[in-house]
Amino acid sequence: GQQVQQSPASLVLQEGENAELQCNFSSTATQLQWFYQSPGGSLVSLLSNPSGTKHTGRLTSTTVTKERRSSLHISSSQTTDSGTYLCAIETGFASALTFGSGTKVIPCLP
Amino acid sequence: DPKIIQKPKYLVAVTGSEKILICEQYLGHNAMYWYRQSAKKPLEFMFSYSYQKLMDNQTASSRFQPQSSKKNHLDLQITALKPDDSATYFCASSQEGPGRGNTLYFGAGTRLSVL
Repeated sequence: GQQVQQSPASLVLQEGENAELQCNFSSTATQLQWFYQSPGGSLVSLLSNPSGTKHTGRLTSTTVTKERRSSLHISSSQTTDSGTYLCAIETGFASALTFGSGTKVIPCLP
Repeated sequence: DPKIIQKPKYLVAVTGSEKILICEQYLGHNAMYWYRQSAKKPLEFMFSYSYQKLMDNQTASSRFQPQSSKKNHLDLQITALKPDDSATYFCASSQEGPGRGNTLYFGAGTRLSVL
């Protein structure tokens, strides 16, 4: 089965709304990283958060290692947040990051 | 300025031909990687290198051969191209090798179309 599962697959967000993206993984993660992929395809690292809670700007990630899950909270969303958010984990020595399928954030235009 | 340079940005090839995708990183990192992203599929890990040595290869086909001439270079040679090879190929790097909890940084990708 898929090692990293993300939900929802897509999300429509109105400007100013908050959103919570979920990442569940089937193996113990020694590293967990959230990425943003722009509509043009470029990939940007947002947060590295293998455990606990981390903040950067309007983003908060909470990872509960024992429960093999992580969330990414986007507060006060903006239209520029649209794109795909990817969760990726490392599962041990010499293992590279394995990615989930992502959550696509779609702006709700007035 | 981009710190991980991939060339070319776009590439069109005919079935059966051979192409080389170029990647150079100027982050001073010791590990480099190749990932592939096909339409509607997650990013797939292909290769990892640490200090110019192959760490892991998750590519089933020997048609894909990474080449590391310098620590900050990791090119990808693809032979006998097939239409199924059409994808965006991303190069990435990290300070230390895979499995060490490093942050991964990506290049802008090379979009390959095989006709």
